[in-house]
Amino acid sequence: EIVMTQSPATLSVSPGERATLSCRASQSVSSNLAWYQQKPGQAPRLLIYGASTRATGIPARFSGSGSGTEFTLTISSLQSEDFAVYYCQQYNNWPNSFGQGTKLEIK
Amino acid sequence: EVQLVESGGVVVQPGGSLRLSCAASGFTFNDYAMHWVRQAPGKGLEWVSLISWDGGSTYYADSVKGRFTISRDNSKNSLYLQMNSLRTEDTALYYCAKDKGLGVTPYYFDYWGQGTLVTVSS
Repeated sequence: EIVMTQSPATLSVSPGERATLSCRASQSVSSNLAWYQQKPGQAPRLLIYGASTRATGIPARFSGSGSGTEFTLTISSLQSEDFAVYYCQQYNNWPNSFGQGTKLEIK
Repeated sequence: EVQLVESGGVVVQPGGSLRLSCAASGFTFNDYAMHWVRQAPGKGLEWVSLISWDGGSTYYADSVKGRFTISRDNSKNSLYLQMNSLRTEDTALYYCAKDKGLGVTPYYFDYWGQGTLVTVSS
């Protein structure tokens, strides 16, 4: 099973600033990497797939990059509604596997 | 609009059984694979099981293999998870999630339900 490791566990950023979240795979997953956002009491929502393609309706301030084993989710100018937990997920190999999540909190 | 509505979550004793359901609407159900993903209280996401578009292929996490069975009824646009020999560590919010593809190759999940809570406790 591919192990996904996210860093940091918690990230404190002020509104309007940039946030950079990292995700590392234990072996190459090519570009088969998705990012999800989960707010308290809500289901996860797909943000990014294919490492860098925004899902339908996702604002342009969200961007993804990387391939192989190293990936980044960047939120260019944080809005109040962006403070949440973010998960990466690889879908290159069975079984699908998620990172442990990064909590993005208000500084 | 895609909708996934889970049901069936209750409090059950260790060793007990439970069947979860997921009612799907807003898309052609039999064109897509479906998953169950769970989230223990205060924890991260754990993939549980996948069923292909036609029910012909199923996959399970090692943690539930041999105890859980995923199934679907395409005539009813419904997904199910039969859970047997339940353990306290199975306590979680169980989400139904739609795959982007057929289930022939791994893919991401483009829609999720709101989840149903399973509590295993004596």
